[in-house]
Amino acid sequence: DQQVKQNSPSLSVQEGRISILNCDYTNSMFDYFLWYKKYPAEGPTFLISISSIKDKNEDGRFTVFLNKSAKHLSLHIVPSQPGDSAVYFCAANGAGSYQLTFGKGTKLSVIP
Amino acid sequence: GAVVSQHPSWVICKSGTSVKIECRSLDFQATTMFWYRQFPKQSLMLMATSNEGSKATYEQGVEKDKFLINHASLTLSTLTVTSAHPEDSSFYICSQSGDSYNEQFFGPGTRLTVL
Repeated sequence: DQQVKQNSPSLSVQEGRISILNCDYTNSMFDYFLWYKKYPAEGPTFLISISSIKDKNEDGRFTVFLNKSAKHLSLHIVPSQPGDSAVYFCAANGAGSYQLTFGKGTKLSVIP
Repeated sequence: GAVVSQHPSWVICKSGTSVKIECRSLDFQATTMFWYRQFPKQSLMLMATSNEGSKATYEQGVEKDKFLINHASLTLSTLTVTSAHPEDSSFYICSQSGDSYNEQFFGPGTRLTVL
């Protein structure tokens, strides 16, 4: 049973436009959410995170929104750049736990 | 963030042989390290949590006798895939915990192909 779901396996966006990647979760014990970016044959690199006490966190071109009541979060990238093309994983963990639960990832392609 | 390395980056082996993958923390002492496996187009699945100086904690469905984990020092954890079979072919990634429980720093991964 997938506790973290990324229902879109892929997304294509024109350079300069906004990329929106979505993530849903089912475990109400999750209180911290992270987005990782991964290139082929490399390990994931941390991008941005958000605590459940917030509904928005922004870092440069990246903004993560959290809707706790809907158990939904999204990552916005604006403006999108070709270098953003990668697989983006949504991950979550619960209070005091090191263990991360990952979604299946969404492959973002930014078209020049 | 912390720098984590893995060795080898890729390995091809014959069925029935054992393969050891090393995960090193280069600039941080990690009491807790994690081993993940990723099959194509799937999420990273946690295999086990490795604590320095104690036995690893394995996730449900992961055979501890097949995937031997040793975390003998604060900078090195090893995963040995014993008697590897083609279905063990996967991308194995380690990570280490940071200062807070929310932080994890990932290694570059090891691609294992079992013929």
